[in-house]
Order: sequence, then structure tokens, then C-alpha cells
Amino acid sequence: DVKVTQSSRYLVKRTGEKVFLECVQDMDHENMFWYRQDPGLGLRLIYFSYDVKMKEKGDIPEGYSVSREKKERFSLILESASTNQTSMYLCASRTGLSGSPLHFGNGTRLTVT
Amino acid sequence: RKEVEQDPGPFNVPEGATVAFNCTYSNSASQSFFWYRQDCRKEPKLLMSVYSSGNEDGRFTAQLNRASQYISLLIRDSKLSDSATYLCVVNQYSSASKIIFGSGTRLSIRP
Repeated sequence: DVKVTQSSRYLVKRTGEKVFLECVQDMDHENMFWYRQDPGLGLRLIYFSYDVKMKEKGDIPEGYSVSREKKERFSLILESASTNQTSMYLCASRTGLSGSPLHFGNGTRLTVT
Repeated sequence: RKEVEQDPGPFNVPEGATVAFNCTYSNSASQSFFWYRQDCRKEPKLLMSVYSSGNEDGRFTAQLNRASQYISLLIRDSKLSDSATYLCVVNQYSSASKIIFGSGTRLSIRP
């Protein structure tokens, strides 16, 4: 079974803090994704990585950056957290084969106060 | 028009009933299709892939109609534990990151 692990289930941070969200997968997947999910807005792609050190902006990259130094780990960084970044953050991975399904981590519910 | 559309529901059906959801997609370049279930405040979990020939997994049947550009999910003999939101997901091969999520259909099974 694919395992995608996110480092924290719940996180509370203050406005202006730098926040790191970590995601690790154990299936040697090439592709990794960061989404946020908000009521009424569904899942929105923040960043995508198709291989080590490779990244691509998603639909809402503003205020975020990512790092993929090793194949199994994909980090999302909030450079200066703001209240509108309060959300559920979901990491996902899949193989590099076109059309393969996503496997999600169990999510990080981030609250910025 | 949204690229992937689902009836948001909620569908409220009695235990043991058969329930069906549809999901329509607008881009004919769409190439792979999935159904996910998502429980409240949890992550989406892959329920099944959807193939052109149709596929079944126990009480669940998925169908793809490329001509009319929709996919469907049928749940037979529904259980209380089937209560969840069901997400339709469409993948376009034009870009590895082009994965479109429907907004989800809420299903509630009552005793």
C-alpha cells in the first residue's frame, strides 16, 4: 500500500511566521503535489513536482514556495503566513506514468491567527 | 462552465438502496478517470479507477461514456458506512499536473 505521510495533522501559527509543511512518500513516486482544500472552493493545486529539484507552479502559488531535494520528500513553505492561508493542506503523490491515480496524505489543518 | 461538474447533492437514501451519481467533463482530451471518497475532515481516498469497458468492485460499479463525456458511479445495497462525499477526478495527459477535481457529491445513508 502507498503511504504518504504529512508531518502534522493540526498546526496553529501566527501571522508573519514562516511555516514548513512536510510530506514523505514511500513508493518511489516521481510526481508529488501540494493542494489546499477550502469549503466551496474544492481542491486547488499550489505546486507540483515531477522529479527531484523539479517544480511547477499550480493555480495558486502566491505566498508559497516548495522544495524537493530528495525524491521521497516534498516540502511546502509559507514564507510569511497570513490568515487567508488558514486551510486544509493535502499532499499527494503518484508514479510518473500518465494517468496514474493520486495517493493523498492525511492532511494538515493549518490555522493562522 | 466548469471543466468537471457533479451534482452536489446531498443524496439522502435509506440503507440497502441503490444510488447513482454522474459526473460530466468538458474536455474531450481527458484520458483517465477516477472516483474518490472523502469523509468529513479527512483526505480523499481512491475508490476506483474508471475504464471504458466499465468496471466493478463489490457493490460499486463505474462506467465511462466518452461519446457523452460523463462517468458514473453506482452503489448497490448501500451501507451506513458509505456516507461520504464522492469526488470525480479527471486527468488530461496534456500536462502531468492537469488533474481536475469535481466539487463532490454528498451522500448520506439513513438507517
